[in-house]
Amino acid sequence: QKEVEQDPGPLSVPEGAIVSLNCTYSNSAFQYFMWYRQYSRKGPELLMYTYSSGNKEDGRFTAQVDKSSKYISLFIRDSQPSDSATYLCAMWGYNKLIFGAGTRLAVHP
Amino acid sequence: ETGVTQTPRHLVMGMTNKKSLKCEQHLGHNAMYWYKQSAKKPLELMFVYSLEERVENNSVPSRFSPECPNSSHLFLHLHTLQPEDSALYLCASSQDWGVQYFGPGTRLLVL
Repeated sequence: QKEVEQDPGPLSVPEGAIVSLNCTYSNSAFQYFMWYRQYSRKGPELLMYTYSSGNKEDGRFTAQVDKSSKYISLFIRDSQPSDSATYLCAMWGYNKLIFGAGTRLAVHP
Repeated sequence: ETGVTQTPRHLVMGMTNKKSLKCEQHLGHNAMYWYKQSAKKPLELMFVYSLEERVENNSVPSRFSPECPNSSHLFLHLHTLQPEDSALYLCASSQDWGVQYFGPGTRLLVL
């Protein structure tokens, strides 16, 4: 079993839709949870990170962590074509950062 | 310059060539990382340097040789690579073991 599972997509949505991206994990030692956005041919860019269970909001983005279910989500409200990218979840524990494979998102006008 | 920079951005090399990738971070961090990103696979951690000392080497073939002369600079020396080594090579930095910030990557093609 992989430590972090993430559906690779692709996920295609119309502009203005609410997008839900998810990851599951198996290691309860993970303490920090991050979401990175990676545009084509660029390096990953940190979007948000959280420590505890619950929600964290930043503009149109909301990160949600459920440690009891070992499940994290990223919600994007009012999605825009500029949100089209690959979204990587990442989890930190035992001095290691483990990445999901990334979900490719396409927002079409 | 701000953040993490990498040069070159693109590199094509033959299997017998020797080349080096360079990474520089302007964030005052004390840890630097090399990752390999291949299509449809998760980021693979290759090397970690903390306070200029290598603390992790994830079973990377010896044809990849890292060098960290100071806390701001990181190199990846390449020699006798294979076509399957073609990938995006990403450098990242962090303060202690915190959130990592990535450079734009070097896209490598081995012919």
